[in-house]
Amino acid sequence: DQQVKQNSPSLSVQEGRISILNCDYTNSMFDYFLWYKKYPAEGPTFLISISSIKDKNEDGRFTVFLNKSAKHLSLHIVPSQPGDSAVYFCATRSSNTGKLIFGQGTTLQVKP
Amino acid sequence: DVKVTQSSRYLVKRTGEKVFLECVQDMDHENMFWYRQDPGLGLRLIYFSYDVKMKEKGDIPEGYSVSREKKERFSLILESASTNQTSMYLCASSFRDVWNYNEQFFGPGTRLTVL
Repeated sequence: DQQVKQNSPSLSVQEGRISILNCDYTNSMFDYFLWYKKYPAEGPTFLISISSIKDKNEDGRFTVFLNKSAKHLSLHIVPSQPGDSAVYFCATRSSNTGKLIFGQGTTLQVKP
Repeated sequence: DVKVTQSSRYLVKRTGEKVFLECVQDMDHENMFWYRQDPGLGLRLIYFSYDVKMKEKGDIPEGYSVSREKKERFSLILESASTNQTSMYLCASSFRDVWNYNEQFFGPGTRLTVL
């Protein structure tokens, strides 16, 4: 049973436009959310996170929004760049074990 | 710079073989993790370890075992490899704190093919 779902396997956007990647979760007890980015032949790298006490966290071109009532988070990339082309995983973490629970991933392609 | 290294980038084994995947981190992290990544399923946790000689099952431990004899090294063992264990295997490590807010750092992955 998938506790974290990324329903769009892929997304294609034009360079300079906004990329919006979405993620839904099932457990209202999850209190910390992360986004990881993965290039081919490399391990995932941490991108940005948000605690459930916030509804927005921004870091440069990357902003994560959290809607707790809808159990939904999204990652906005503005402006998108070709170097952003990668697989993006959202994840939540069990606060008592530190285990990460990952979504299926969304492959973003930014076209020049 | 945190570095997590994995012993092989690509590995091809035959059904029934015993397979060892090695992971080493150089940042004195307490926590170490093994995941597998499969298309459409994302990353799934196989086993993790909070300390030397300690291990905990993740979400899909069946068919795997682990060993952590030294703090910097975490090994994943496939006792008898099967074709459904063909996958990308990723190792990660992190510091342990009370709230477990520390970022996990990943190695580059081992692409294992079982024939």
